[in-house]
Amino acid sequence: DGGITQSPKYLFRKEGQNVTLSCEQNLNHDAMYWYRQDPGQGLRLIYYSQIVNDFQKGDIAEGYSVSREKKESFPLTVTSAQKNPTAFYLCASSQGTFQPQHFGDGTRLSIL
Amino acid sequence: AQSVSQHNHHVILSEAASLELGCNYSYGGTVNLFWYVQYPGQHLQLLLKYFSGDPLVKGIKGFEAEFIKSKFSFNLRKPSVQWSDTAEYFCAVNAHNAGNMLTFGGGTRLMVKP
Repeated sequence: DGGITQSPKYLFRKEGQNVTLSCEQNLNHDAMYWYRQDPGQGLRLIYYSQIVNDFQKGDIAEGYSVSREKKESFPLTVTSAQKNPTAFYLCASSQGTFQPQHFGDGTRLSIL
Repeated sequence: AQSVSQHNHHVILSEAASLELGCNYSYGGTVNLFWYVQYPGQHLQLLLKYFSGDPLVKGIKGFEAEFIKSKFSFNLRKPSVQWSDTAEYFCAVNAHNAGNMLTFGGGTRLMVKP
């Protein structure tokens, strides 16, 4: 079945540590996205990529970094510069501009 | 910057009651509009979408939404809810001059009592 796989499902980070969240899709979609979901705030866009080797900042990119070396993969690194990283992170992909987005199951990140 | 408002954060209904969830957005140009649903323990999935044409769009599971351009609204409706509709609902807007960026509302948690 085609879809989006996010791993791990739960992740714990120590203060000052960088962590990388994985997102893989086998839908052959060009565009991929990372969102952060906090209670009562909906989803906020962190980064998105419309094509391999290209990505743009979203509304809350500070403290995060991404790469898009392969079409099917869009990893997100939460750096130590992100002061409030505890959240639920969702990865999505879409076939093209303005098309509906398909979501993964998410990764819940907590700080120890 | 575009913004999306969902006025009801929590809604509690009994089965068979009618549902209307409000969604308003701030952008004045051409938009695509979406409603997504997140059932407990499941990933976000598309409920319905509006791109152009008939402003009344029908989605899965008996849901529909009406795009009223003059009111910048895209309210979600269902005439008779079921217990299985318990979920969180998100309205989202894609403004055509904002590239591929989707702006989400804060979500509405719906609880349907059996």
